[in-house]
Amino acid sequence: DAGVTQSPTHLIKTRGQQVTLRCSPKSGHDTVSWYQQALGQGPQFIFQYYEEEERQRGNFPDRFSGHQFPNYSSELNVNALLLGDSALYLCASSLGGLTGELFFGEGSRLTVL
Amino acid sequence: KQEVTQIPAALSVPEGENLVLNCSFTDSAIYNLQWFRQDPGKGLTSLLLIQSSQREQTSGRLNASLDKSSGRSTLYIAASQPGDSATYLCAVKHTGTASKLTFGTGTRLQVTL
Repeated sequence: DAGVTQSPTHLIKTRGQQVTLRCSPKSGHDTVSWYQQALGQGPQFIFQYYEEEERQRGNFPDRFSGHQFPNYSSELNVNALLLGDSALYLCASSLGGLTGELFFGEGSRLTVL
Repeated sequence: KQEVTQIPAALSVPEGENLVLNCSFTDSAIYNLQWFRQDPGKGLTSLLLIQSSQREQTSGRLNASLDKSSGRSTLYIAASQPGDSATYLCAVKHTGTASKLTFGTGTRLQVTL
């Protein structure tokens, strides 16, 4: 049973560029959440997708956008990259209910130069 | 606004010692609390999930307790091993913003030989 998979694992971009990160949820899960983790900090919630709709959003600017596909996989897009966007981006999946356990992928390490 | 605090920030213990990690949260209106383990540069591994109606959960050498009324949880690790060295994060799912987890900044544990 494949867990949550994310790609790419590492990437380097320059300021002003755009990036797309991808996530496939754990088998049987229909909900995908994205988190940003800066070095030495706990993960911060970006947004959650359920039934191809953004269900909730954290305190992130509109430069951060996402999408969920009919097969429940998801993308995170970040436009106009800033140095401060350098972080580990984590995807988590769960089953649609509000009390479900979250399972995380290995993350995508983004470095902005 | 839900805030999660973990004490201590770092801990070093000799192999074989039993230890307790602490997590406190400011708003007791939660659905559940989840403990995670994170190895350097890696994703999060779910250790234990405690629903708001539960008092504790156990998995092998790990035991997590929850006192919702006082806003506290503890993770007890018995007979620690060098392989337990990692950062341990707790996270709560608040009833008001049920789609997201709010994380603490973690406790970095080192178990020495």
